[in-house]
Amino acid sequence: QIQLVQSGPELKKPGESVKISCKASGYTFTDYAMHWVKQAPGKGLKWMGWINTYTGKPTYADDFKGRFVFSLEASASTANLQISNLKNEDTATYFCARGLGFAYWGQGTLVTVSS
Amino acid sequence: DVVMTQTPPSLSVAIGQSVSISCKSSQSLVYSDGKTYLHWLLQSSGRSPKRLIYQVSNLDSGVPDRFSGTGSQKDFTLKISRVEAKDLGVYYCAQTTHFPYTFGAGTKLELK
Repeated sequence: QIQLVQSGPELKKPGESVKISCKASGYTFTDYAMHWVKQAPGKGLKWMGWINTYTGKPTYADDFKGRFVFSLEASASTANLQISNLKNEDTATYFCARGLGFAYWGQGTLVTVSS
Repeated sequence: DVVMTQTPPSLSVAIGQSVSISCKSSQSLVYSDGKTYLHWLLQSSGRSPKRLIYQVSNLDSGVPDRFSGTGSQKDFTLKISRVEAKDLGVYYCAQTTHFPYTFGAGTKLELK
């Protein structure tokens, strides 16, 4: 069955970096785009952008340009999200979601930024 | 950006009742291929979102036919017939027609 399994929760200090992984299984990884979605505590969903899993080309929503990087380890069917220079407002659960229409979601990775 | 306006923000319902959730977009969601990329998701408490309906009215596999989606252009509705306890949570509409993709603010379905 199709699964997206994300890496575990992270506790970071402001200014540090974090890398979250999303490992896909049950389908051909390069056949579907991977999206990233942010959910701040108690808030709704915000689309961060997507990565073309065939070409590796990322596309970022305006609010996520600069400190956010989408990457792939295609041989491992894994998409990664790296956030640098963490700020308190980056505290959130980050989800990966497969394909146009977000048909499948990872379980989410909670990133807590606190001094 | 396309603004997705969901109403109501919350609903109290008794088991067995039917409810409707509205989602209105600030622009038409019809893509150049003629399809409308409006989807409905449910996020149960503490869980990741799960897609229920894609492209306005198509039920995802395993979703009971108590759920139905209708609408066109800028005006969409999710209807849940005979609500069950497992239907509780926050419902989101999402559009993937225009970049950046956007979500409604959510409708929280609670027990009365």
